[in-house]
Amino acid sequence: DGGITQSPKYLFRKEGQNVTLSCEQNLNHDAMYWYRQDPGQGLRLIYYSQIVNDFQKGDIAEGYSVSREKKESFPLTVTSAQKNPTAFYLCASSSHAGSGNTIYFGEGSWLTVV
Amino acid sequence: GNSVTQMEGPVTLSEEAFLTINCTYTATGYPSLFWYVQYPGEGLQLLLKATKADDKGSNKGFEATYRKETTSFHLEKGSVQVSDSAVYFCALSENSGNTGKLIFGQGTTLQVKP
Repeated sequence: DGGITQSPKYLFRKEGQNVTLSCEQNLNHDAMYWYRQDPGQGLRLIYYSQIVNDFQKGDIAEGYSVSREKKESFPLTVTSAQKNPTAFYLCASSSHAGSGNTIYFGEGSWLTVV
Repeated sequence: GNSVTQMEGPVTLSEEAFLTINCTYTATGYPSLFWYVQYPGEGLQLLLKATKADDKGSNKGFEATYRKETTSFHLEKGSVQVSDSAVYFCALSENSGNTGKLIFGQGTTLQVKP
């Protein structure tokens, strides 16, 4: 089936550790995105990539890093510099970046700092 | 900057009641507008969209009309079901920069009781 796969679904991290969230899509989409969702709030953009080997910071990039070495993959690393990483993380993609193009979302990953 | 404002929830309705969730936006130019739905513990699913003024998006009995004069995109459904219980997000896609980034409202929780 075509879609966006995020893993793991649930992840626990100790303070001071880096963790990487995986995002893979088999939709042949050029653009990919990472959003963060906090309880009772909307989604905020962390990073986005319009094409392979290129990415840009979103509104809340501090403490996060990404790579886009393959078209189908856009992993997100939550570093120890992220002060409040506990949240629900959503990966998304669209055929190409542009207003009006539908953005499709994965099922999300829950990250909890213990 | 661009922003989206939704009515605060939760909205609690009885089955078969009429639903309206208000959404207004602030944007330069002519953004595309979206409604997404999120079921508990899941990612977001596109419900409907409109890409230009006076367009009406519709899906699964839900409708929303892009009103440029009132900068609104209110979501409506004539008869809600228990299965419609979810969080609904209004979003806009910026036209400038052609990034395809979505800006979300804070979400409105809908609870439908039998």
